[in-house]
Amino acid sequence: GESVGLHLPTLSVQEGDNSIINCAYSNSASDYFIWYKQESGKGPQFIIDIRSNMDKRQGQRVTVLLNKTVKHLSLQIAATQPGDSAVYFCAENSGGSNYKLTFGKGTLLTVNP
Amino acid sequence: DAGVIQSPRHEVTEMGQEVTLRCKPISGHNSLFWYRQTMMRGLELLIYFNNNVPIDDSGMPEDRFSAKMPNASFSTLKIQPSEPRDSAVYFCASTMDRGAQHFGDGTRLSIL
Repeated sequence: GESVGLHLPTLSVQEGDNSIINCAYSNSASDYFIWYKQESGKGPQFIIDIRSNMDKRQGQRVTVLLNKTVKHLSLQIAATQPGDSAVYFCAENSGGSNYKLTFGKGTLLTVNP
Repeated sequence: DAGVIQSPRHEVTEMGQEVTLRCKPISGHNSLFWYRQTMMRGLELLIYFNNNVPIDDSGMPEDRFSAKMPNASFSTLKIQPSEPRDSAVYFCASTMDRGAQHFGDGTRLSIL
């Protein structure tokens, strides 16, 4: 049936644990992927990106993994902190002269102290 | 460094009124995007500009919506006349070529 609204996947973790947020994409032509964090009342904030010629990229406490075979992207957050609580979006770009990003529905991460 | 700046942060107005949202992109960025975010539909791209030229406006809901970018440091999104269903958070983002888009903190629009 028709959804009343977006039902965000949720992930609840304890402070200090590692978090893994997953994202599936559908366009096999996508060659650039970005993870964003959105806190309440703010705009999406860039976390980390990865191009399709890579499988893994690390930042500060975050790692993005890309599996092009199954069109899957994940964001790993190490030692999750209460300040990490937010909605996380993956976004993809299909390359060429197209500058548009296609955003996923988002995952709500809640970190319990 | 200054990020993307949007104004106003909040706007409450009566239906039928004209609404103008403003955006200053990050200096040096050559692409600018307008998005709308609602609980029902998530984050939707309305229109984007490259080098001040509108490239794709397929997401603009209807003729009541218009966007302009008169120069590289300023863009407006106008709704005339506004309707209650236009209530949403409107975001502006900018980027250099096909890099990561950087978002402003949005304008929360309520049409009564």
